Amino acid sequence: LAKTTQPISMDSYEGQEVNITCSHNNIATNDYITWYQQFPSQGPRFIIQGYKTKVTNEVASLFIPADRKSSTLSLPRVSLSDTAVYYCLVGEDSSASKIIFGSGTRLSIRP
Amino acid sequence: GAVVSQHPSRVICKSGTSVKIECRSLDFQATTMFWYRQFPKQSLMLMATSNEGSKATYEQGVEKDKFLINHASLTLSTLTVTSAHPEDSSFYICSAIIRDKGRASYGYTFGSGTRLTVV
Repeated sequence: LAKTTQPISMDSYEGQEVNITCSHNNIATNDYITWYQQFPSQGPRFIIQGYKTKVTNEVASLFIPADRKSSTLSLPRVSLSDTAVYYCLVGEDSSASKIIFGSGTRLSIRP
Repeated sequence: GAVVSQHPSRVICKSGTSVKIECRSLDFQATTMFWYRQFPKQSLMLMATSNEGSKATYEQGVEKDKFLINHASLTLSTLTVTSAHPEDSSFYICSAIIRDKGRASYGYTFGSGTRLTVV
């Protein structure tokens, strides 16, 4: 599985747009990029997944440049409830293989 | 969507006793489940892969005789922490592979976690 690198922590304020970037220089052709959110004392929750260009759902957007060596999770107009740890994972979507978590980004939202 | 139910959510046990954690897939069959351990302010660490009807595969450094995994049915996997000690206190999370509807791809859904405290 491709190794990922994310900022350890980020701070922002309510109502702002937050962008968290993940580096995955060794991403393979068949790899997808998936982001999870984890609140304290809870299991991770799927946010969004993509392969290339841009993906958007009701929660977030995922931007992936042409070389796919990085990706950016964009959270529009964050609120206090978006305070959580965000994990970027890269792996082959077509195989039922184990996933290894990186360090994640601890996002803190202030009033 | 696919839900994995994990119980108990919290457990406190005495040192030397064993604790069983259950993970059930509620509306799908989970042939493969994963067990993770998470210490405070750290990331999830994969402990083992649980396959229905066969022996679990443990990650390097995880004691298989201490962390017993049973996956006897397509909807239930259990993790038993045997002879627990205070250093086993942690947050344990299970995960199951799900097949996304509409495409031949896989996703992962997680249980809500179990906070184990050994005193």
